[in-house]
Amino acid sequence: GQSLEQPSEVTAVEGAIVQINCTYQTSGFYGLSWYQQHDGGAPTFLSYNALDGLEETGRFSSFLSRSDSYGYLLLQELQMKDSASYFCAVRDQRGYGNKLVFGAGTILRVKS
Amino acid sequence: DVKVTQSSRYLVKRTGEKVFLECVQDMDHENMFWYRQDPGLGLRLIYFSYDVKMKEKGDIPEGYSVSREKKERFSLILESASTNQTSMYLCASSSSQDRGRYGYTFGSGTRLTVV
Repeated sequence: GQSLEQPSEVTAVEGAIVQINCTYQTSGFYGLSWYQQHDGGAPTFLSYNALDGLEETGRFSSFLSRSDSYGYLLLQELQMKDSASYFCAVRDQRGYGNKLVFGAGTILRVKS
Repeated sequence: DVKVTQSSRYLVKRTGEKVFLECVQDMDHENMFWYRQDPGLGLRLIYFSYDVKMKEKGDIPEGYSVSREKKERFSLILESASTNQTSMYLCASSSSQDRGRYGYTFGSGTRLTVV
């Protein structure tokens, strides 16, 4: 099956850089995704890495190392609005379709 | 703006009641999902549908069933609600052509309390 591990909480100050790590175990691999969820809100898709390396989208970047079964989400120039939960996810190989298995989530607290 | 709409934001039901959670998407997506979210457990898949009338069990299907009679609508049914089904329920959709690049679109969730 698939399993993902990520830290439960991370705290950082406004303007800083923070990295949220994710390690995964999966029998087959089709990419690592990241989602953001503000308190009480819907998860929203942030990024997807299918190949090794860094993908940048504005202040957010996501990295993947398939040989290490590891990825991270990098948030730069942190803002208070970045306080949220962040989930990594991999595709579930069982059955049909592009089902995702999610990690338990990392709560990011940004302090002023 | 593309949307996944869940019919209720908050629900309170009694133990033993049959509960219907409704989800509608306007993106013509083939795939629809019901997840349950609990603190410290992340999102766990209850059921998945990849086409009208087609469904597949997820990791925690016990006590739930689903219905997909139309492409845009996916319903989650709690046959006999129990207190351990108190949770946040999230509906999502995605295109069958998407291999991950565009991700899921989630609804805002239904917070169900069973008393």
